[in-house]
Amino acid sequence: ETGVTQTPRHLVMGMTNKKSLKCEQHLGHNAMYWYKQSAKKPLELMFVYNFKEQTENNSVPSRFSPECPNSSHLFLHLHTLQPEDSALYLCASSHTGTANTGELFFGEGSRLTVL
Amino acid sequence: AQSVTQLDSHVSVSEGTPVLLRCNYSSSYSPSLFWYVQHPNKGLQLLLKYTSAATLVKGINGFEAEFKKSETSFHLTKPSAHMSDAAEYFCVVSDRYGGATNKLIFGTGTLLAVQP
Repeated sequence: ETGVTQTPRHLVMGMTNKKSLKCEQHLGHNAMYWYKQSAKKPLELMFVYNFKEQTENNSVPSRFSPECPNSSHLFLHLHTLQPEDSALYLCASSHTGTANTGELFFGEGSRLTVL
Repeated sequence: AQSVTQLDSHVSVSEGTPVLLRCNYSSSYSPSLFWYVQHPNKGLQLLLKYTSAATLVKGINGFEAEFKKSETSFHLTKPSAHMSDAAEYFCVVSDRYGGATNKLIFGTGTLLAVQP
């Protein structure tokens, strides 16, 4: 596989469930990102990881718990979510340092519906 | 802080006619600017980027954008629309200068409809 792969593509969960979103990048990048895309709102940056270390948490509620075991994998653990958390969650990656060309490379997203 | 404003939330054109999607930016330094496209149920794909080289930037699928510092604009154009261009387009500015990771600030998007 190439690029940035996200699974599952669609997820429906109740407010008391625990689930996880997975992202894997095959681009040799060292930075990974989670974005939230809600209807009629700009994309919101949630978390940034650089070489497995979290470098940014954009005031995200604790019911979202990221995990980055290595530079190629990123998870978003979900628990006790609210209906307003329903959105498209996008994973992205990029180079860092001198190889960084400024852009992000996105996966196709995981569409989350919270009932 | 950096920001972008997309002036139209919806644009409708006929197939074969020109496309113009407007974007204004605000930046305290020389910005990096991008246009991304999102087709239905897909992720975001980079169309083109400006990083202080040539002011006229050519991208994929016949799109181009011109950086105009005097107007703080970065409008996206295409001479002739194709049905496959129907998608949502995002103007983006980089909010990080010289850092290890990228912080991109997205506009609210312009939904392009192409009529047959």
